[in-house]
Amino acid sequence: GQNIDQPTEMTATEGAIVQINCTYQTSGFNGLFWYQQHAGEAPTFLSYNVLDGLEEKGRFSSFLSRSKGYSYLLLKELQMKDSASYLCAVRDSNYQLIWGAGTKLIIKP
Amino acid sequence: ETGVTQTPRHLVMGMTNKKSLKCEQHLGHNAMYWYKQSAKKPLELMFVYSLEERVENNSVPSRFSPECPNSSHLFLHLHTLQPEDSALYLCASSQDQAGEAGELFFGEGSRLTVL
Repeated sequence: GQNIDQPTEMTATEGAIVQINCTYQTSGFNGLFWYQQHAGEAPTFLSYNVLDGLEEKGRFSSFLSRSKGYSYLLLKELQMKDSASYLCAVRDSNYQLIWGAGTKLIIKP
Repeated sequence: ETGVTQTPRHLVMGMTNKKSLKCEQHLGHNAMYWYKQSAKKPLELMFVYSLEERVENNSVPSRFSPECPNSSHLFLHLHTLQPEDSALYLCASSQDQAGEAGELFFGEGSRLTVL
């Protein structure tokens, strides 16, 4: 079956760096997405990786290794507003999105 | 106007009621989606419409009935629901169903409680 694994919850300190991991087993691969979802709000697109390597976008970076079925989202200089759930999703060979259950990130002062 | 708008934001209904959720997108997208989001579970894709035609129905019970009258509007008609159907229902749209990036734009969801 197809599966996306990511930690259920993580805690980090304001100003620090946190890495949220995502591992996947899917039928084919056509890209990996990260979305951010604040409590009670819509998920919003953060990043898209289809080739191996690191994509940097401001304080957020996303890494992909297709051979390992692995990605991570790196958040630097954490701010209180970064407290949210982070959803990993992989598009399979049929272009269907397979979603992880999300990682709830708690930022402490 | 925001990109994807959902109404109502909150809905409480009994098991014998009939209600509808509405979604409207102002982005000119061709594909629209209904997802179910339950606590600590992955998003569950329910229905996909591409150019107003249903292209996906992931074994969703018939008590959920979608309708897409045009490319900007999507409805989810609810009838004889069960308490386990209580969840956040998210509508999303994308430029195309399977484009290069295929980024989804989500509405803020309709929180449904079935008593």
